[in-house]
Amino acid sequence: DVKVTQSSRYLVKRTGEKVFLECVQDMDHENMFWYRQDPGLGLRLIYFSYDVKMKEKGDIPEGYSVSREKKERFSLILESASTNQTSMYLCASGPIVSVTEQYFGPGTRLTVT
Amino acid sequence: AQSVTQPDIHITVSEGASLELRCNYSYGATPYLFWYVQSPGQGLQLLLKYFSGDTLVQGIKGFEAEFKRSQSSFNLRKPSVHWSDAAEYFCAVGPGTSGYNKLIFGAGTRLAVHP
Repeated sequence: DVKVTQSSRYLVKRTGEKVFLECVQDMDHENMFWYRQDPGLGLRLIYFSYDVKMKEKGDIPEGYSVSREKKERFSLILESASTNQTSMYLCASGPIVSVTEQYFGPGTRLTVT
Repeated sequence: AQSVTQPDIHITVSEGASLELRCNYSYGATPYLFWYVQSPGQGLQLLLKYFSGDTLVQGIKGFEAEFKRSQSSFNLRKPSVHWSDAAEYFCAVGPGTSGYNKLIFGAGTRLAVHP
């Protein structure tokens, strides 16, 4: 079974803090993704990566950055957290061969106060 | 522009009743289509997918979906709903024009099941 794990299920941070969300997958997938999920908006893609040290902006990259130093790990960074970044963050991975299913982690619910 | 519309935000059905969740898409070519389910506090799990071929696809947990090109729809169905089906359901289409491996998600439909 594919397993995608995220470092925290719940996180509370203060405005202005630097926040790291970590994601690890065990299926040797090339592609990894970070989404945020908000009620009524579905999932919106923040960033994705198709290889180590490669990254591409998604639909809402502002205020975020990412890091992929190893194939299995994809980090999302909030340089200076703001209250409008309070959300559920979902990580996913998938093989590069085609747009097949993406395998999702359990999510991190981030609250910025 | 590519988009996915799930017209129903909330749906409530009785246990044992049939279910149909609607999904309409806007896409310039033949899309890849997906349905995901998210149980409370969990990530998304793939229910089924359509790439080509038979327009009626079977998925896990007794779900099926039918691709209708003329209606730009990919509705999810289940003949008899179980209480454990209460969850949020997302329709998705890909690939996105700005990324080969991107998916575009609908806003989701939350399903409640009455005993």
